[in-house]
Amino acid sequence: NAGVTQTPKFQVLKTGQSMTLQCAQDMNHEYMSWYRQDPGMGLRLIHYSVGAGITDQGEVPNGYNVSRSTTEDFPLRLLSAAPSQTSVYFCASSPQGQLSRAYNSPLHFGNGTRLTVT
Amino acid sequence: EDKVVQSPLSLVVHEGDTVTLNCSYEVTNFRSLLWYKQEKKAPTFLFMLTSSGIEKKSGRLSSILDKKELFSILNITATQTGDSAVYLCAPRRTSYDKVIFGPGTSLSVIP
Repeated sequence: NAGVTQTPKFQVLKTGQSMTLQCAQDMNHEYMSWYRQDPGMGLRLIHYSVGAGITDQGEVPNGYNVSRSTTEDFPLRLLSAAPSQTSVYFCASSPQGQLSRAYNSPLHFGNGTRLTVT
Repeated sequence: EDKVVQSPLSLVVHEGDTVTLNCSYEVTNFRSLLWYKQEKKAPTFLFMLTSSGIEKKSGRLSSILDKKELFSILNITATQTGDSAVYLCAPRRTSYDKVIFGPGTSLSVIP
């Protein structure tokens, strides 16, 4: 099992450009989520999904879009990048979801994407 | 509104010291609490606590949950420089819902 795979590892964008951060998991996890982590700060939840076709906003959703068309993939889209979106982005998944009810389970993290917007 | 508070926010200790990190939470339908260690990479899972008063141990690390007072502590005994990291806690709910992390405690262990 590969676990949670994030691509790319690093990305530099110019202000106004768009891009998609990819997240894929091969553990059949229902729950997937995106966090951002700024220097010296904790993890802040951007968006999350409890199953295919279902997404919801987290603490800091503005400027980001998500979709969940399959159980495996949960891409994060930046439509018009801003310097304030410079951060490290982590994707995380767990078995918990609308069907499994496995709420007593840890989150599995990807290795992160370091994004710089100039 | 969910609330997760960690204290202290940062801590500097000498090797061999014992430290206690605190995590208090206010969430509806609480079911379990997660602890993670984060060095300069992705967080790594330490403990999941579901029952009050039952200590979980892994080597020099241990953790306990108090569901009545809504807090958890993470203890590290005989600290080593490799324990230097940010320690994060996150409560989980009954229903399929978002997982919010606390701000973390930054621990620095100096030789």
